[in-house]
Amino acid sequence: GENVEQHPSTLSVQEGDSAVIKCTYSDSASNYFPWYKQELGKRPQLIIDIRSNVGEKKDQRIAVTLNKTAKHFSLHITETQPEDSAVYFCAATSGNTPLVFGKGTRLSVIA
Amino acid sequence: DVKVTQSSRYLVKRTGEKVFLECVQDMDHENMFWYRQDPGLGLRLIYFSYDVKMKEKGDIPEGYSVSREKKERFSLILESASTNQTSMYLCASSLSGGGLTGELFFGEGSRLTVL
Repeated sequence: GENVEQHPSTLSVQEGDSAVIKCTYSDSASNYFPWYKQELGKRPQLIIDIRSNVGEKKDQRIAVTLNKTAKHFSLHITETQPEDSAVYFCAATSGNTPLVFGKGTRLSVIA
Repeated sequence: DVKVTQSSRYLVKRTGEKVFLECVQDMDHENMFWYRQDPGLGLRLIYFSYDVKMKEKGDIPEGYSVSREKKERFSLILESASTNQTSMYLCASSLSGGGLTGELFFGEGSRLTVL
């Protein structure tokens, strides 16, 4: 089955700097890669996703890149703000089985 | 707005007790899921259901069962609670279009402590 590895497990950045979180997956059939954000005490929520027919997707300060050959994808947050502090989860699926999540990255943005 | 409601935010139970965690969604989603969240282990799938009365095991089904008698309701059952089932339990739902690539909508979670 699918296995998703996520790094780093914790990340601290200064406000205004960029943050990058990386994930690798094992199943070459996976074709959908979402990212979920979970603020402290809140439910996880989808912030961006990418499908295997594109290599990059942007939404304001957030971007996701996908390298299918290497089987890895990354979340990029630019101009970080304190409200970006949260736990971020990557996930992968082929669509035939449920999402498999990475173990999460705790991002702290220091003002 | 999609609303996924979990019946209890906090529960404290004794070892050996039978525990029911209820989840209701109001957007007519076909798929429903139960995840367990533990620090450093991420979100692990216990069971999921893609239709009424249908259920499929996830990655960690041992010690759990589920029930889906109505489309909007998905229940997680711990037949005999044990201390290693102390955790945060998250319910989620999604539309079935596109298989299992639909956005997951999560409930607020049920924090279970087993003493």
